[in-house]
Amino acid sequence: GDSVTQMEGPVTLSEEAFLTINCTYTATGYPSLFWYVQYPGEGLQLLLKATKADDKGSNKGFEATYRKETTSFHLEKGSVQVSDSAVYFCALSGGYSSASKIIFGSGTRLSIRP
Amino acid sequence: SAVISQKPSRDICQRGTSLTIQCQVDSQVTMMFWYRQQPGQSLTLIATANQGSEATYESGFVIDKFPISRPNLTFSTLTVSNMSPEDSSIYLCSVGDQETQYFGPGTRLLVL
Repeated sequence: GDSVTQMEGPVTLSEEAFLTINCTYTATGYPSLFWYVQYPGEGLQLLLKATKADDKGSNKGFEATYRKETTSFHLEKGSVQVSDSAVYFCALSGGYSSASKIIFGSGTRLSIRP
Repeated sequence: SAVISQKPSRDICQRGTSLTIQCQVDSQVTMMFWYRQQPGQSLTLIATANQGSEATYESGFVIDKFPISRPNLTFSTLTVSNMSPEDSSIYLCSVGDQETQYFGPGTRLLVL
């Protein structure tokens, strides 16, 4: 079935560092890809999404490009802030075996040092 | 976007008891989903709740343990029955489709 594999955490960076969180997926069909973020003590929020190959999702300085050839959707940010400390989940939906369900990766905890 | 509220936001329960979690959406939606997030883990889909039909449960989840109601297009409940400490988790409802899903704030459950 469909699955998502993302970078193990925790990831600790200094403020203004460059961030990459790797995410790869396995799916049949043409899934949509997502990054969700969970700030401490809060619910899950959609950060960005891409619905077809070569699309780039972006929000709050974060970007991710849907790469069908490498089945990847890596999350990047050029200069992280302390307020970016959270758990980040890569996810997919809409593959032939996942349909309207969302399949989540294991999550990557990000901590940013001032 | 949809605004989703859940009640209760948190609870501490004794083993063997049951807890019903409510999910309210500010607009009519076709599909509602219930997820579990165990401590330090990712989200796992429990079931999909469509109005007017039985909920569809994922592998490893059964109706006797997690009965779900969906009386109308804006509301759903999930009951965690005969609880054990292993049921301590965050339970989240969500609405949407394969393009976008919105999540409620979650219900933090601790079973002693």
